[in-house]
Amino acid sequence: RKEVEQDPGPFNVPEGATVAFNCTYSNSASQSFFWYRQDCRKEPKLLMSVYSSGNEDGRFTAQLNRASQYISLLIRDSKLSDSATYLCVVSHRSNTGKLIFGQGTTLQVKP
Amino acid sequence: DARVTQTPRHKVTEMGQEVTMRCQPILGHNTVFWYRQTMMQGLELLAYFRNRAPLDDSGMPKDRFSAEMPDATLATLKIQPSEPRDSAVYFCASGLERGNTEAFFGQGTRLTVV
Repeated sequence: RKEVEQDPGPFNVPEGATVAFNCTYSNSASQSFFWYRQDCRKEPKLLMSVYSSGNEDGRFTAQLNRASQYISLLIRDSKLSDSATYLCVVSHRSNTGKLIFGQGTTLQVKP
Repeated sequence: DARVTQTPRHKVTEMGQEVTMRCQPILGHNTVFWYRQTMMQGLELLAYFRNRAPLDDSGMPKDRFSAEMPDATLATLKIQPSEPRDSAVYFCASGLERGNTEAFFGQGTRLTVV
């Protein structure tokens, strides 16, 4: 079993839809959490960090549930440009420690 | 615009040959990661350095892979001998050991072993 698990999808949604991804992690010592975005044939880039109280950045909302060991990403009013693979990432230290990536969830936003 | 630089971007080699991939981390970053990405396995951590010292290389096949940081501006990943199953995209990333700082990825080396 992988340490960070995600539903690979693909999630096919129409423009304007709201879509949510979940991610579970198995190591209770995990301290830092992130969502990265990876476009086709490109490198991963940080989308947002995930804080215990939850956080929002425009149309994107990230939540953390430590008790259940899962992280979520909500995208509202999805755009064509949101089409990408979203990678859930955990770290065992609160400063750039060993970053463990999930397999990624692929999102396709259709017109 | 600071970025992680990886060379070569693409490499095609024959089975059994040595492959060396290079990475120049962002100036001032003290943490360097090597990842391998395949369709089947996703992003796997191969090695991880802090202040040039290897902290974790448990994800790396020791018999054929080696990772080093000869100085703060250069990280290398070597495969000797290469095998077809090593075909993948190899990413280097760098970051700062400070707070909740992100890791910045290079554009990757796409390796094909035939």
